[in-house]
Amino acid sequence: GQQVMQIPQYQHVQEGEDFTTYCNSSTTLSNIQWYKQRPGGHPVFLIQLVKSGEVKKQKRLTFQFGEAKKNSSLHITATQTTDVGTYFCAGRGNQGGKLIFGQGTELSVKP
Amino acid sequence: DTGVSQNPRHKITKRGQNVTFRCDPISEHNRLYWYRQTLGQGPEFLTYFQNEAQLEKSRLLSDRFSAERPKGSFSTLEIQRTEQGDSAMYLCASSTHGELFFGEGSRLTVL
Repeated sequence: GQQVMQIPQYQHVQEGEDFTTYCNSSTTLSNIQWYKQRPGGHPVFLIQLVKSGEVKKQKRLTFQFGEAKKNSSLHITATQTTDVGTYFCAGRGNQGGKLIFGQGTELSVKP
Repeated sequence: DTGVSQNPRHKITKRGQNVTFRCDPISEHNRLYWYRQTLGQGPEFLTYFQNEAQLEKSRLLSDRFSAERPKGSFSTLEIQRTEQGDSAMYLCASSTHGELFFGEGSRLTVL
């Protein structure tokens, strides 16, 4: 079945450093979404990527969808303490419907 | 509050008992999802509905789990003969066709 792998599991950075998390799917995806979950909270939608090779930016966050639509990345420039949380990618297969989440990357930012 | 509502927020039960969780999605959202999340892991797909039809159910889900969405509005997730391994946060999410909006979750502890 469809699997979504995410690395690294944890990332500890100094405030101001950059951060990247990578996501790989075992199957081609129709789209990929990214979510952020703060400690004690629930996942909150960040963005959806649909097109092969697509790149989207949200302020300091840059999201990419691979050419083969099997991988994705999230890059945060100049991290801030407000970026703390766990970032999840979630992929939807070509048959649509269910959204499969990766294991997440937990980001901690030291002031 | 027009977000996704889940109750109860916390449930402590003894092994072997049955439990039921309720999810009220955002009004007009035709898709409803159930996920299970344990500490340090991503949300694990359980099942999803489009209107009242249950379109997919995870093979990981044993026959002790059942979900319903009788009128295409609220949904219930029942776990029969609970086991300690069922202890987790049970998340409900609703959507139209894109991003998922999650509820705060129902935390189950099986003693």
